[in-house]
Amino acid sequence: ETGVTQSPTHLIKTRGQQVTLRCSSQSGHNTVSWYQQALGQGPQFIFQYYREEENGRGNFPPRFSGLQFPNYSSELNVNALELDDSALYLCASSPGGGNYGYTFGSGTRLTVV
Amino acid sequence: GIQVEQSPPDLILQEGANSTLRCNFSDSVNNLQWFHQNPWGQLINLFYIPSGTKQNGRLSATTVATERYSLLYISSSQTTDSGVYFCAVVASGTYKYIFGTGTRLKVLA
Repeated sequence: ETGVTQSPTHLIKTRGQQVTLRCSSQSGHNTVSWYQQALGQGPQFIFQYYREEENGRGNFPPRFSGLQFPNYSSELNVNALELDDSALYLCASSPGGGNYGYTFGSGTRLTVV
Repeated sequence: GIQVEQSPPDLILQEGANSTLRCNFSDSVNNLQWFHQNPWGQLINLFYIPSGTKQNGRLSATTVATERYSLLYISSSQTTDSGVYFCAVVASGTYKYIFGTGTRLKVLA
Protein backbone atom coordinates (compact mmCIF):
# COMPACT_ATOMS: atom_id res chain seq x y z
CA GLU A 1 0.00 0.00 0.00
CA THR A 2 1.55 3.29 -1.08
CA GLY A 3 1.25 6.39 1.05
CA VAL A 4 0.58 9.96 0.02
CA THR A 5 3.04 11.22 -2.57
CA GLN A 6 3.61 14.85 -3.52
CA SER A 7 5.48 16.45 -6.39
CA PRO A 8 7.68 18.28 -6.84
CA THR A 9 9.62 18.14 -3.56
CA HIS A 10 11.15 21.58 -4.03
CA LEU A 11 10.28 24.50 -6.27
CA ILE A 12 11.53 28.03 -6.79
CA LYS A 13 9.25 30.55 -8.49
CA THR A 14 9.31 34.26 -9.17
CA ARG A 15 6.77 36.66 -7.66
CA GLY A 16 3.73 36.96 -9.95
CA GLN A 17 4.11 33.52 -11.48
CA GLN A 18 1.68 30.62 -11.16
CA VAL A 19 2.43 27.20 -9.65
CA THR A 20 0.74 23.78 -9.61
CA LEU A 21 1.49 21.25 -6.89
CA ARG A 22 0.39 17.63 -7.16
CA CYS A 23 -0.70 14.99 -4.71
CA SER A 24 -1.50 11.31 -5.09
CA SER A 25 -3.66 10.15 -2.23
CA GLN A 26 -3.22 6.86 -0.46
CA SER A 27 -5.02 3.95 -2.09
CA GLY A 28 -8.67 3.81 -1.02
CA HIS A 29 -8.71 7.39 0.30
CA ASN A 30 -11.43 9.64 -1.16
CA THR A 31 -10.72 12.80 0.82
CA VAL A 32 -7.78 15.13 0.26
CA SER A 33 -6.82 18.22 2.24
CA TRP A 34 -4.12 20.80 1.59
CA TYR A 35 -2.20 22.73 4.24
CA GLN A 36 0.32 25.56 4.19
CA GLN A 37 3.09 25.55 6.78
CA ALA A 38 5.20 28.67 7.13
CA LEU A 39 8.59 28.36 8.78
CA GLY A 40 8.33 27.83 12.53
CA GLN A 41 4.55 27.52 12.55
CA GLY A 42 1.95 24.79 12.49
CA PRO A 43 0.14 23.81 9.27
CA GLN A 44 -2.82 25.97 8.24
CA PHE A 45 -5.82 24.46 6.43
CA ILE A 46 -6.27 25.65 2.83
CA PHE A 47 -9.12 23.48 1.54
CA GLN A 48 -10.48 19.94 1.36
CA TYR A 49 -11.92 17.81 -1.46
CA TYR A 50 -14.27 14.89 -1.00
CA ARG A 51 -15.15 12.79 -4.05
CA GLU A 52 -14.08 15.57 -6.45
CA GLU A 53 -16.05 18.35 -4.72
CA GLU A 54 -14.58 21.08 -2.51
CA ASN A 55 -16.27 20.66 0.85
CA GLY A 56 -14.37 23.13 2.98
CA ARG A 57 -12.03 26.09 2.72
CA GLY A 58 -9.80 27.98 5.13
CA ASN A 59 -8.88 31.66 5.18
CA PHE A 60 -6.99 31.75 1.90
CA PRO A 61 -7.67 34.09 -1.05
CA PRO A 62 -9.26 32.84 -4.31
CA ARG A 63 -5.89 32.74 -6.05
CA PHE A 64 -5.45 29.46 -4.14
CA SER A 65 -7.53 26.90 -6.02
CA GLY A 66 -7.63 23.17 -6.38
CA LEU A 67 -8.95 20.12 -8.14
CA GLN A 68 -9.59 16.50 -7.27
CA PHE A 69 -9.63 13.92 -10.04
CA PRO A 70 -11.69 10.71 -10.39
CA ASN A 71 -8.74 8.68 -9.06
CA TYR A 72 -8.79 11.03 -6.01
CA SER A 73 -5.43 12.58 -6.79
CA SER A 74 -5.38 16.34 -6.37
CA GLU A 75 -3.76 19.58 -7.48
CA LEU A 76 -3.19 22.86 -5.68
CA ASN A 77 -2.85 25.90 -7.92
CA VAL A 78 -1.60 29.26 -6.74
CA ASN A 79 -1.80 32.28 -9.05
CA ALA A 80 0.00 35.60 -8.80
CA LEU A 81 2.57 34.28 -6.33
CA GLU A 82 3.62 36.53 -3.46
CA LEU A 83 6.75 36.34 -1.33
CA ASP A 84 4.61 35.28 1.67
CA ASP A 85 3.49 32.19 -0.24
CA SER A 86 6.91 30.71 0.46
CA ALA A 87 6.14 27.72 2.66
CA LEU A 88 5.90 23.96 2.92
CA TYR A 89 2.69 22.74 1.27
CA LEU A 90 1.33 19.53 2.70
CA CYS A 91 -1.27 17.22 1.25
CA ALA A 92 -3.19 14.75 3.41
CA SER A 93 -5.66 12.02 2.55
CA SER A 94 -8.29 10.13 4.50
CA PRO A 95 -10.51 7.13 3.70
CA GLY A 96 -13.81 8.43 4.97
CA GLY A 97 -14.30 12.17 4.73
CA GLY A 98 -11.73 12.73 7.43
CA ASN A 99 -13.40 10.65 10.09
CA TYR A 100 -10.60 8.10 10.31
CA GLY A 101 -7.60 10.37 10.58
CA TYR A 102 -5.31 11.68 7.88
CA THR A 103 -2.07 10.50 6.32
CA PHE A 104 0.27 13.29 5.23
CA GLY A 105 2.69 13.43 2.34
CA SER A 106 6.27 14.69 2.57
CA GLY A 107 5.30 18.10 1.25
CA THR A 108 6.44 20.51 -1.44
CA ARG A 109 8.75 23.29 -0.32
CA LEU A 110 7.93 26.39 -2.37
CA THR A 111 10.24 29.39 -2.41
CA VAL A 112 9.03 32.60 -4.06
CA VAL A 113 11.76 35.09 -4.95
CA GLY B 1 -12.89 29.06 16.69
CA ILE B 2 -11.33 26.26 18.66
CA GLN B 3 -7.98 26.97 20.33
CA VAL B 4 -5.33 24.27 20.62
CA GLU B 5 -2.41 24.80 22.97
CA GLN B 6 0.51 22.48 23.52
CA SER B 7 3.00 22.38 26.35
CA PRO B 8 5.84 22.59 26.88
CA PRO B 9 6.85 24.58 23.78
CA ASP B 10 10.42 23.29 23.98
CA LEU B 11 11.93 20.24 25.65
CA ILE B 12 15.49 18.98 25.88
CA LEU B 13 16.06 15.45 27.15
CA GLN B 14 18.95 13.13 27.67
CA GLU B 15 18.68 9.88 25.75
CA GLY B 16 16.76 7.32 27.79
CA ALA B 17 14.60 9.83 29.64
CA ASN B 18 10.80 9.82 29.66
CA SER B 19 8.53 12.76 28.82
CA THR B 20 4.90 13.82 28.68
CA LEU B 21 3.55 16.25 26.10
CA ARG B 22 0.21 17.90 26.64
CA CYS B 23 -2.47 19.21 24.26
CA ASN B 24 -5.36 21.32 25.55
CA PHE B 25 -8.30 22.26 23.36
CA SER B 26 -11.04 24.75 24.03
CA ASP B 27 -14.08 22.97 22.55
CA SER B 28 -15.44 19.48 21.90
CA VAL B 29 -13.73 17.57 19.10
CA ASN B 30 -14.56 14.76 16.69
CA ASN B 31 -11.03 13.86 15.72
CA LEU B 32 -7.61 14.19 17.31
CA GLN B 33 -4.27 13.08 15.96
CA TRP B 34 -0.71 13.32 17.21
CA PHE B 35 2.01 13.85 14.62
CA HIS B 36 5.80 13.91 14.66
CA GLN B 37 7.35 16.27 12.13
CA ASN B 38 10.85 15.16 11.27
CA PRO B 39 13.66 17.53 10.27
CA TRP B 40 12.77 17.02 6.59
CA GLY B 41 9.23 18.29 7.17
CA GLN B 42 7.26 15.09 6.91
CA LEU B 43 4.33 14.78 9.31
CA ILE B 44 4.26 11.23 10.59
CA ASN B 45 1.04 10.01 12.13
CA LEU B 46 1.61 8.70 15.65
CA PHE B 47 -1.93 8.21 16.93
CA TYR B 48 -5.50 8.78 15.81
CA ILE B 49 -7.06 9.16 19.24
CA PRO B 50 -10.28 11.19 19.63
CA SER B 51 -10.78 9.40 22.97
CA GLY B 52 -9.27 6.68 25.11
CA THR B 53 -5.75 5.31 25.36
CA LYS B 54 -3.47 3.73 22.78
CA GLN B 55 0.07 2.40 22.87
CA ASN B 56 2.60 1.78 20.14
CA GLY B 57 6.00 0.62 21.35
CA ARG B 58 7.67 3.35 23.40
CA LEU B 59 4.86 5.79 22.68
CA SER B 60 1.42 5.98 24.19
CA ALA B 61 -1.37 8.54 24.17
CA THR B 62 -4.46 9.31 26.20
CA THR B 63 -7.31 11.63 25.29
CA VAL B 64 -9.87 12.69 27.88
CA ALA B 65 -12.39 14.33 25.57
CA THR B 66 -14.74 15.41 28.37
CA GLU B 67 -11.91 17.38 30.00
CA ARG B 68 -10.55 18.61 26.65
CA TYR B 69 -6.99 17.42 26.77
CA SER B 70 -4.70 14.79 25.34
CA LEU B 71 -1.32 13.52 26.52
CA LEU B 72 1.50 11.92 24.54
CA TYR B 73 4.00 9.84 26.51
CA ILE B 74 7.46 9.08 25.20
CA SER B 75 9.47 6.54 27.17
CA SER B 76 13.18 5.73 26.87
CA SER B 77 13.66 8.57 24.39
CA GLN B 78 16.09 8.20 21.50
CA THR B 79 17.87 10.82 19.39
CA THR B 80 15.59 9.89 16.49
CA ASP B 81 12.63 11.14 18.55
CA SER B 82 13.89 14.69 18.02
CA GLY B 83 11.62 16.98 16.02
CA VAL B 84 8.36 18.83 16.49
CA TYR B 85 5.29 17.11 17.90
CA PHE B 86 1.90 18.45 16.83
CA CYS B 87 -1.54 17.77 18.15
CA ALA B 88 -4.33 18.40 15.60
CA VAL B 89 -8.06 18.43 16.25
CA VAL B 90 -11.30 18.67 14.29
CA ALA B 91 -13.87 20.62 16.26
CA SER B 92 -17.36 19.11 16.44
CA GLY B 93 -19.50 20.32 13.55
CA THR B 94 -16.48 21.25 11.42
CA TYR B 95 -14.27 19.43 8.93
CA LYS B 96 -10.77 20.87 9.11
CA TYR B 97 -7.81 20.05 11.30
CA ILE B 98 -6.60 22.81 13.58
CA PHE B 99 -3.01 22.26 14.60
CA GLY B 100 -1.61 23.11 17.97
CA THR B 101 1.41 25.28 18.59
CA GLY B 102 3.75 22.29 18.68
CA THR B 103 6.37 20.98 21.11
CA ARG B 104 9.94 21.06 19.85
CA LEU B 105 11.83 18.09 21.31
CA LYS B 106 15.56 17.61 21.24
CA VAL B 107 17.05 14.37 22.57
CA LEU B 108 20.76 14.49 23.36
CA ALA B 109 23.01 11.45 23.03
